[in-house]
Amino acid sequence: DSGVTQTPKHLITATGQRVTLRCSPRSGDLSVYWYQQSLDQGLQFLIQYYNGEERAKGNILERFSAQQFPDLHSELNLSSLELGDSALYFCASSGTGDNEKLFFGSGTQLSVL
Amino acid sequence: GESVGLHLPTLSVQEGDNSIINCAYSNSASDYFIWYKQESGKGPQFIIDIRSNMDKRQGQRVTVLLNKTVKHLSLQIAATQPGDSAVYFCAENNDWGKLQFGAGTQVVVTP
Repeated sequence: DSGVTQTPKHLITATGQRVTLRCSPRSGDLSVYWYQQSLDQGLQFLIQYYNGEERAKGNILERFSAQQFPDLHSELNLSSLELGDSALYFCASSGTGDNEKLFFGSGTQLSVL
Repeated sequence: GESVGLHLPTLSVQEGDNSIINCAYSNSASDYFIWYKQESGKGPQFIIDIRSNMDKRQGQRVTVLLNKTVKHLSLQIAATQPGDSAVYFCAENNDWGKLQFGAGTQVVVTP
């Protein structure tokens, strides 16, 4: 168990809908990262937050947004969903002392029908 | 563009043998490398890391080798066990907050 909690584990929705994925980092970790894993793209970095502030941005679509709350949990919002958004979404966290080593949650499997 | 890639998509290994998983990276500025293991239905799990000022690092049954001259990284697993069956990813972190993953290698351990 990595200590990173993601909910829900599975999400099935329709095109055009909006969903929210939730992540609780390891206790004490200030950084939260979101990754998307699909069969044809592998693990792609989306966005990183550090202590509530956006720190780095990757290949995140404009339809997607994220935030990190004062209690350090994070949410990834996906809107106007398309079939191609179906993927595994992972959250990872890291601490202040070893920022480069990421600990991943079990992921949320999103299926857009 | 910059990329991290794996040479072999699938590696079949007999139980008890040693496994070697290879990874090529293209960014010579990368200074930190990580190997992750991902089992079915789970998130990537940290195995071992190495910084660019080292060329070898050992863990429990695993060894990572870094050859900066040819930009090559490898993971060696000693005495491979059925529980080692998984997808293995190499990743580089040359830009804080952007851990860039390779495509992954599926390791299948046969009895």
